[in-house]
Amino acid sequence: NAGVTQTPKFRILKIGQSMTLQCTQDMNHNYMYWYRQDPGMGLKLIYYSVGAGITDKGEVPNGYNVSRSTTEDFPLRLELAAPSQTSVYFCAATGGRVPSSYNEQFFGPGTRLTVL
Amino acid sequence: GNSVTQMEGPVTLSEEAFLTINCTYTATGYPSLFWYVQYPGEGLQLLLKATKADDKGSNKGFEATYRKETTSFHLEKGSVQVSDSAVYFCALSDSGGSNYKLTFGKGTLLTVNP
Repeated sequence: NAGVTQTPKFRILKIGQSMTLQCTQDMNHNYMYWYRQDPGMGLKLIYYSVGAGITDKGEVPNGYNVSRSTTEDFPLRLELAAPSQTSVYFCAATGGRVPSSYNEQFFGPGTRLTVL
Repeated sequence: GNSVTQMEGPVTLSEEAFLTINCTYTATGYPSLFWYVQYPGEGLQLLLKATKADDKGSNKGFEATYRKETTSFHLEKGSVQVSDSAVYFCALSDSGGSNYKLTFGKGTLLTVNP
């Protein structure tokens, strides 16, 4: 199992450009999450999904959109990129066949995004 | 709402020193508590967890005890190694209707020197 994979690993955008950060998991987990990590600030939740077709806002959703058409994929879309979106983005997943499996989130390796 | 406050770093120790990173939390209900570790250039990995009061989580020589009376989950290790150098995050999941979302502390950078 690859776990949670993210692409790309690095990206530089110009102000106003758009892009999609890809996230795929092969663990058949129901719940998926997008976080951003800013220096000295921990991780903040952007959006999350409790299953295919269902998404909801987290703590810092402005400037982002998500979709969840399959269990495996949870892409994050940035429209009109701004310097404030310079960050490291992590995707995570949890929730297998037994309740105790919801007690751990599995993280991808991250995407480092710079907006200039 | 939920919040996690952890000891600010950076923390610099010599190899074989004792480590404590403090973590306190505020939450409704009965949260699960976690310590995640992030090695340079990598994503977060679960280090240990505790799901109810008085539980002790342990892994790789690290320990933390869920103290409901003091709302704390301090991370300890008796003898650190250079390979323990990383950023450590305390987190909670209030599974009562929160969709297992994690609330993180700001992270503590640990550097262990030989």
